[in-house]
Amino acid sequence: GAVVSQHPSWVICKSGTSVKIECRSLDFQATTMFWYRQFPKQSLMLMATSNEGSKATYEQGVEKDKFLINHASLTLSTLTVTSAHPEDSSFYICSALPPSRETQYFGPGTRLLVL
Amino acid sequence: AQSVTQLDSHVSVSEGTPVLLRCNYSSSYSPSLFWYVQHPNKGLQLLLKYTSAATLVKGINGFEAEFKKSETSFHLTKPSAHMSDAAEYFCVVSDGSGNQFYFGTGTSLTVIP
Repeated sequence: GAVVSQHPSWVICKSGTSVKIECRSLDFQATTMFWYRQFPKQSLMLMATSNEGSKATYEQGVEKDKFLINHASLTLSTLTVTSAHPEDSSFYICSALPPSRETQYFGPGTRLLVL
Repeated sequence: AQSVTQLDSHVSVSEGTPVLLRCNYSSSYSPSLFWYVQHPNKGLQLLLKYTSAATLVKGINGFEAEFKKSETSFHLTKPSAHMSDAAEYFCVVSDGSGNQFYFGTGTSLTVIP
């Protein structure tokens, strides 16, 4: 149980285009999902907290117009990187909280490369 | 306020020898504590968690951790390292409400054959 998927796992795009990453909780409902960014050899950096049916809460320094988050259902949150630039290249990981809100379950990550 | 410190950025052990990855925390509340493992280019997998039940927690793949309130520690151990244990390990603390999770900087475990 407690499986979280992400799609796509890899994406390469041209500078200036937008990329959407999906995060799904496959066997539980998640009112809260988190989006993280991870640079090589570093820990996870929380970007935003996504709550179903409401606006996401962004961490300081994260541009909400750049990283659009939508959490329209209890099993799906999406992160859209708008007008991507090479500095947006990174590993993006989502996690989901089941109703107990006790433990985060992580997706497998999405590697984004912007050329 | 909560925080977590992983005392070693890198640990190397020989295959078959014990593993000790250290984690200290600070918390204003009774904390929940977690260890996750991350293999290269993968997401994080939950190894084990402490949520105010038994202080000695057993996890997957032979790992265990002991919550020591007096020492504010939650060190991860395994009696005998396997090559497949080579990965990055993260200690995480939360207040149990699901609103905030604080990550350590990670410990990279190398297993020498």
